Amino acid sequence: DIVMTQSPTSMSISVGDRVTMNCKASQNVGSNVDWYQQKTGQSPKLLIYKASNRYTGVPDRFTGSGSGTDFTFTISNMQAEDLAVYYCMQSNSYPPTFGGGTKLELK
Amino acid sequence: QIQLVQSGPELKKPGESVKISCKASGYTFTDYAMHWVKQAPGKGLKWMGWINTYTGKPTYADDFKGRFVFSLEASASTANLQISNLKNEDTATYFCASRGLSHWGQGVMVTVSS
Repeated sequence: DIVMTQSPTSMSISVGDRVTMNCKASQNVGSNVDWYQQKTGQSPKLLIYKASNRYTGVPDRFTGSGSGTDFTFTISNMQAEDLAVYYCMQSNSYPPTFGGGTKLELK
Repeated sequence: QIQLVQSGPELKKPGESVKISCKASGYTFTDYAMHWVKQAPGKGLKWMGWINTYTGKPTYADDFKGRFVFSLEASASTANLQISNLKNEDTATYFCASRGLSHWGQGVMVTVSS
């Protein structure tokens, strides 16, 4: 199975910060990486699909980039409602696999 | 609007079985596969497999072969997950997700405890 390694595992941030997190695949997954946001007690929510495409209704402060094995997810102007765990997932190879998540916490 | 509504929380003993449901609305049920995802307490997401909602054919990830069964009640736009011979390590929230994992149910917490 493809291993998706996310870094960092957690971040202490302030409202208004620019937040960047990474996801590294153990082998080439093309652009087949999605990013999900999961708030406490809620189901995951799709934010970015195929590495860089914002899903319907997702604010433009969320962006994704990358291809191959290295992917980046950025929140350009952190808002309080963005506190959550963010997961990357590859769907290039069976089975789909998720990264371990990056948790955003208030400083 | 598109919704996936799952059944309520379950408390079971080891060795028992549980069946949880996921009712879809707002789209044609048979147009999109239904996926199942496990999240153990405080842990990340693990893809369990999927069921072709048109043919009913299930596909299981390796770790979910044997005690896990995906099924459909297509006339009711409902997908089900049954887990038999429950073990403590099955304690988790189970999500259904469809439309390319763009839509998720609210999750069902299954607790296995003697």
